[in-house]
Amino acid sequence: DAGVIQSPRHEVTEMGQEVTLRCKPISGHNSLFWYRQTMMRGLELLIYFNNNVPIDDSGMPEDRFSAKMPNASFSTLKIQPSEPRDSAVYFCASSWGLASQETQYFGPGTRLLVL
Amino acid sequence: GEDVEQSLFLSVREGDSSVINCTYTDSSSTYLYWYKQEPGAGLQLLTYIFSNMDMKQDQRLTVLLNKKDKHLSLRIADTQTGDSAIYFCAESGGNTGGFKTIFGAGTRLFVKA
Repeated sequence: DAGVIQSPRHEVTEMGQEVTLRCKPISGHNSLFWYRQTMMRGLELLIYFNNNVPIDDSGMPEDRFSAKMPNASFSTLKIQPSEPRDSAVYFCASSWGLASQETQYFGPGTRLLVL
Repeated sequence: GEDVEQSLFLSVREGDSSVINCTYTDSSSTYLYWYKQEPGAGLQLLTYIFSNMDMKQDQRLTVLLNKKDKHLSLRIADTQTGDSAIYFCAESGGNTGGFKTIFGAGTRLFVKA
């Protein structure tokens, strides 16, 4: 298996632009997680899905952030409009299920820089 | 709310043992994990321990869990330069976290040749 795939790997954009990050989970995994990592705040869980349904989006910072999972093999995280403070590495992770022992497999991340 | 804390930096010499410590607040946590993040990469699970265990050993890695003190440690024997990375402690299954995995801020391990 190729593992969790994220695209793009790097994104540089200007403040006010829309940014769309993409994720393909491992085939067969039914849970998907979006995280944001910064030096100041560490690793933050933004939202997670189970069977394509958002379960908890309490970590989404504000209305500028939205996430969708239209099918079991694809998810997007959108920021509109983007701001410089959104600059971070965004990770997608997937797991077999939501049971507490299920290992999360992380993608390589998308490094976002908003100028 | 639930919290996982760990020191930010650790520096060791190649060949020495590294011990990375972590404390957590949710006494009902079921699973405790150590993840490793190499530069430019995502987190990768190293090992995990179930809350009813005291110790788990896997080759050069030893995990110790003190449930009474809510303290978790990761010992890396014969540390190599390739072990230089950020190590994240995490917990899940607790009453407050539920299905979430709660991560610490990560300990950056520097291995000097």
